[in-house]
Amino acid sequence: AQTVTQSQPEMSVQEAETVTLSCTYDTSESDYYLFWYKQPPSRQMILVIRQEAYKQQNATENRFSVNFQKAAKSFSLKISDSQLGDAAMYFCAYRRDMNSGYSTLTFGKGTMLLVSP
Amino acid sequence: EAQVTQNPRYLITVTGKKLTVTCSQNMNHEYMSWYRQDPGLGLRQIYYSMNVEVTDKGDVPEGYKVSRKEKRNFPLILESPSPNQTSLYFCASSSDRGEGANVLTFGAGSRLTVL
Repeated sequence: AQTVTQSQPEMSVQEAETVTLSCTYDTSESDYYLFWYKQPPSRQMILVIRQEAYKQQNATENRFSVNFQKAAKSFSLKISDSQLGDAAMYFCAYRRDMNSGYSTLTFGKGTMLLVSP
Repeated sequence: EAQVTQNPRYLITVTGKKLTVTCSQNMNHEYMSWYRQDPGLGLRQIYYSMNVEVTDKGDVPEGYKVSRKEKRNFPLILESPSPNQTSLYFCASSSDRGEGANVLTFGAGSRLTVL
């Protein structure tokens, strides 16, 4: 079974600074997707960024970027120029490619990001 | 607007009183799923459905039932709720093929408290 590990229960960053959230995963599959979801106090699950395992290039979305190390099974999220609105719980998640058959989305336990002025 | 709609958003009930949390999506998605979120445990899958009349257990199915009689709806049923089912519940859906197959769209969540 696939597992996703987020080793940082909580992280702190000051506004305008950069922070990196860590995630490792375990799988024997070759085709899969990795995601970072943000959960603000509203509890809504918001997709931040996704990475296809077959792509070597790291995904970026504005201030958010990932460092995807397939051999090391590592998938960290970097938030640049942190803003107060970035404060939230962040979940790393894994999903085997649905086009290869059914797969579930497996989540890590989350990292709470605190942003201070 | 493409969305997943859950109801109720908040519910307080008592042990043993049957309840249903509804979930509806307007994106013609084949795949639908229920998750529960508990502090320190992340999100765990309860049940999923690959299409109409096709459902299967996730990681924590005990105490729950589901049905998929229509493509757009996937209700979660608690026949006899117990306090350990107090949680935040999410419904989610996705296509089962193509580029959108791997991206789940989540509902807003349903906060359930069982006394």
